[in-house]
Amino acid sequence: EAGVTQFPSHSVIEKGQTVTLRCDPISGHDNLYWYRRVMGKEIKFLLHFVKESKQDESGMPNNRFLAERTGGTYSTLKVQPAELEDSGVYFCASSPRPGAVEQFFGPGTRLTVL
Amino acid sequence: GEDVEQSLFLSVREGDSSVINCTYTDSSSTYLYWYKQEPGAGLQLLTYIFSNMDMKQDQRLTVLLNKKDKHLSLRIADTQTGDSAIYFCAPLQTGANNLFFGTGTRLTVIP
Repeated sequence: EAGVTQFPSHSVIEKGQTVTLRCDPISGHDNLYWYRRVMGKEIKFLLHFVKESKQDESGMPNNRFLAERTGGTYSTLKVQPAELEDSGVYFCASSPRPGAVEQFFGPGTRLTVL
Repeated sequence: GEDVEQSLFLSVREGDSSVINCTYTDSSSTYLYWYKQEPGAGLQLLTYIFSNMDMKQDQRLTVLLNKKDKHLSLRIADTQTGDSAIYFCAPLQTGANNLFFGTGTRLTVIP
């Protein structure tokens, strides 16, 4: 069974540019989560999808961030325009049920904004 | 939200025991997880404990929970070089679906 995959693994962009991160959850997992770890700080929750619906987006930092999950399969997280403080590692996780004992994490996308 | 605190670094000699500590603020946390992140990899669930338990042992791993003090620890017996990684404590609040993580403790095992 394939795990959670994320693309790209690394992205380096300039301030003001746009970047789109992609997450493919484990097949059949309705719940998809985005988290972010800014350098040296804790991993913070961004949002939670149940199928294609946003269940909780309380962690989204501002309106420069847009997450979608059309069709309830893969998800994208777009940052537009990117700022320096957006640099960090963006993790995606999926689980078969909400609050499931285990959330399965992807390897993360390291975003560097110059 | 919930605040989760961990020490940033821990170094131990190979073969010794490692103890990674974590404190959290929300006493309603139901499950408390330990995740491990190896270099270049995602977060891997190591073990977890349900809030009505004091201790859970799983091979070389022992989790201790002190609910009164809101303190969680992970003990790794006979620490190996392959245990070098970042360890995250992550409570799950009652009724919540997302995890709250600490900063992570970077464990370095010295051969």
